[in-house]
Amino acid sequence: SQQGEEDPQALSIQEGENATMNCSYKTSINNLQWYRQNSGRGLVHLILIRSNEREKHSGRLRVTLDTSKKSSSLLITASRAADTASYFCATDLRGSQGNLIFGKGTKLSVKP
Amino acid sequence: ETGVTQTPRHLVMGMTNKKSLKCEQHLGHNAMYWYKQSAKKPLELMFVYSLEERVENNSVPSRFSPECPNSSHLFLHLHTLQPEDSALYLCASSQDLSNYGYTFGSGTRLTVV
Repeated sequence: SQQGEEDPQALSIQEGENATMNCSYKTSINNLQWYRQNSGRGLVHLILIRSNEREKHSGRLRVTLDTSKKSSSLLITASRAADTASYFCATDLRGSQGNLIFGKGTKLSVKP
Repeated sequence: ETGVTQTPRHLVMGMTNKKSLKCEQHLGHNAMYWYKQSAKKPLELMFVYSLEERVENNSVPSRFSPECPNSSHLFLHLHTLQPEDSALYLCASSQDLSNYGYTFGSGTRLTVV
């Protein structure tokens, strides 16, 4: 089984609504990152949260981390049609280098 | 543009062909990566290079052969591939191996016929 798993697999909302995606992982981490991927393109780094942080903001993005539950959430507020993409969490295993492990992603569709 | 450029964007090859994927980064990063992205699967880390030295090879079949001639360029040489190798191949780079934020290229969509 994989290190990081996003939930839900797919999410469809109306423009202006908030979108929440969750990520669960299995082993201790140094940090957790969220990436976005537009269809058929490369991944774009959104935000990184370290294991000693509980919440982080960047524009309309809010990320939380609960290391006791081994879970993270990504909240996109006031969503726009341009936010339509797949969102991935990636975990950096403690003690490892050059080994960022990605989940399968959440496919977000924001309808205008 | 992200600063990581992959060519070609699309590639169709027969199972007996030999082709190469190219990745170039202009970010001054010291680590580069190849990932494979197949439908409904997580990204699979294939190879990791740091300062032109290979530091990770995740049990990748020998029909995939990486090459890193300098810290700005990374190649993936392909030969005698199988149809199940069809996927999006993504190159990424980072400042070092500390896993703080990767920059990805747009990928090469490979179809093996």
